[in-house]
Amino acid sequence: AQKITQTQPGMFVQEKEAVTLDCTYDTSDPSYGLFWYKQPSSGEMIFLIYQGSYDQQNATEGRYSLNFQKARKSANLVISASQLGDSAMYFCAMRERFGNEKLTFGTGTRLTIIP
Amino acid sequence: DAGITQSPRHKVTETGTPVTLRCHQTENHRYMYWYRQDPGHGLRLIHYSYGVKDTDKGEVSDGYSVSRSKTEDFLLTLESATSSQTSVYFCATLDPLAGLETQYFGPGTRLLVL
Repeated sequence: AQKITQTQPGMFVQEKEAVTLDCTYDTSDPSYGLFWYKQPSSGEMIFLIYQGSYDQQNATEGRYSLNFQKARKSANLVISASQLGDSAMYFCAMRERFGNEKLTFGTGTRLTIIP
Repeated sequence: DAGITQSPRHKVTETGTPVTLRCHQTENHRYMYWYRQDPGHGLRLIHYSYGVKDTDKGEVSDGYSVSRSKTEDFLLTLESATSSQTSVYFCATLDPLAGLETQYFGPGTRLLVL
């Protein structure tokens, strides 16, 4: 079974609109962390946001927020007021078992912002 | 930015030849990782290291070996390159004591095996 599932291979969004990128995960470990990374066409991996499994509130970082629904095992990334520079691949990842620090990645969503 | 460099950035090689990729970091991070990125698979962990001379296998370790003789350097070796090892390779680091949860990635190495 896939540990991280990103069901949207590609998305097109109008500039200035909000966009939600879906991520569901599968783990039996009570202690885990969820991450989102951005990969622009230049290829580097850029960390965006982190949510710990015990965090009570949804994580936010500027225009990025993580909609964490623990019971549904989902960790969707929300980008508010999208910009042309948001066009990129976005990867959801999970770390299980604190102290191990290995990441398991989803297959990614390619987001294209339309002017 | 954790000061991570990878060399070479691009390489073309022939099937059967050995290849070594280098990851160098200047942040004294204890943990280091090698991933490969392929279309439809995201990033997959090859090997990782918890410290000098302390390494372990990841999800896709067959055909790869690693070495870490210094904190700052993590080498990935393809003993006998195959076309299936054509990929983009990323190195990442983590300081588990810094209170930061995220791994920081190098710029990647594009490897083409002919």
